[in-house]
Amino acid sequence: GEDVEQSLFLSVREGDSSVINCTYTDSSSTYLYWYKQEPGAGLQLLTYIFSNMDMKQDQRLTVLLNKKDKHLSLRIADTQTGDSAIYFCAESFSGGYQKVTFGIGTKLQVIP
Amino acid sequence: DAGVIQSPRHEVTEMGQEVTLRCKPISGHDYLFWYRQTMMRGLELLIYFNNNVPIDDSGMPEDRFSAKMPNASFSTLKIQPSEPRDSAVYFCASSGPLGETYGYTFGSGTRLTVV
Repeated sequence: GEDVEQSLFLSVREGDSSVINCTYTDSSSTYLYWYKQEPGAGLQLLTYIFSNMDMKQDQRLTVLLNKKDKHLSLRIADTQTGDSAIYFCAESFSGGYQKVTFGIGTKLQVIP
Repeated sequence: DAGVIQSPRHEVTEMGQEVTLRCKPISGHDYLFWYRQTMMRGLELLIYFNNNVPIDDSGMPEDRFSAKMPNASFSTLKIQPSEPRDSAVYFCASSGPLGETYGYTFGSGTRLTVV
């Protein structure tokens, strides 16, 4: 079945790196996503990685995918207070449409 | 494109009243999703449409909830009668074919409070 699990909370100091982890159960997923939700706003797509990739870097963001362990991580370098938000891991499957399954979200708190 | 547009942003209503939430998806997207977000249950998929046709409404909690998509640029989610436990943030999202779009684009949500 489809299940995406994340820890609920992470606290880091401003300037440090943040690493948010996620595990998923379905090995047939095609794309994996990271969404960011700021207070009072909708979910915003941050980045995504195709399932045949190991790593993707986009400025301060690094996504690592370990397909064998079904583990996805998002590293934010030089974390800023503006990075405080809830981060959702999600996976999607091919076949008909983009069925996206979301995790429960990790709340990142950045301490000045 | 202005993105997915939802209205109203906030709605406060009394128990028993009818509530209608509105959504305009991104032009050209052929899938539309309605989600509900609460602290207790996280993000729940209520219903989704493809080319204006409801495909899966198994997430709709009760018969009090109904959703329509009369055309490609408009959808509504109606709750009648509303109850305090319906208080949540309701999101609309849209997407296009994989390869043309990745993931879903979400609206800013409607925060519903039923008192």
